[in-house]
Amino acid sequence: AQKVTQAQTEISVVEKEDVTLDCVYETRDTTYYLFWYKQPPSGELVFLIRRNSFDEQNEISGRYSWNFQKSTSSFNFTITASQVVDSAVYFCALSGSGGSNYKLTFGKGTLLTVNP
Amino acid sequence: GAVVSQHPSRVICKSGTSVKIECRSLDFQATTMFWYRQFPKQSLMLMATSNEGSKATYEQGVEKDKFLINHASLTLSTLTVTSAHPEDSSFYICSARDDGGPAKNIQYFGAGTRLSVL
Repeated sequence: AQKVTQAQTEISVVEKEDVTLDCVYETRDTTYYLFWYKQPPSGELVFLIRRNSFDEQNEISGRYSWNFQKSTSSFNFTITASQVVDSAVYFCALSGSGGSNYKLTFGKGTLLTVNP
Repeated sequence: GAVVSQHPSRVICKSGTSVKIECRSLDFQATTMFWYRQFPKQSLMLMATSNEGSKATYEQGVEKDKFLINHASLTLSTLTVTSAHPEDSSFYICSARDDGGPAKNIQYFGAGTRLSVL
């Protein structure tokens, strides 16, 4: 069975601070995919990144960066110089590959509040 | 690219009526779409997997006759909540899995439908 744990339920920071959202996963699959989605107050889930299990290279996209470490089964997300518009619920998710394995297993989400 | 349109965004209906929600992938084909339900301050709960040209696969505990799913084309899936009751009030979100290209297997989500049953 697959499992995603986001231990941080809520995080509150002041604008311009850096913040890291933690994600730990469990899976028996050798091929799997990890995702991060952002859900602003409007409700729509916005795709941020996908990583496959064979690519441990860290990625940076603007103020966003992701650290994937298979050794610790973690896929952490860092926002540098946070802004008020970053306030949202962030979900980490996991899927396998092939057939019904493409279903996403979501973590419980982390509510990030960035205060001016 | 990768836009998923979900309509309506909000529905208020009387108990006993049926409500249809549409989910369309606008710029990519999606053989597989998913329907989720989300309660306030909670994560997404997968209700069913919608497969184009075949029957939907429902998660354990989800009533098939209550939540009818039709996936008539490679870009459209519909969820019909039949004989809605107040306990069906919730936020329903669909996603579409991209069939091909660099974005293959990424699920893109609609904006959600907030259903309120009076």
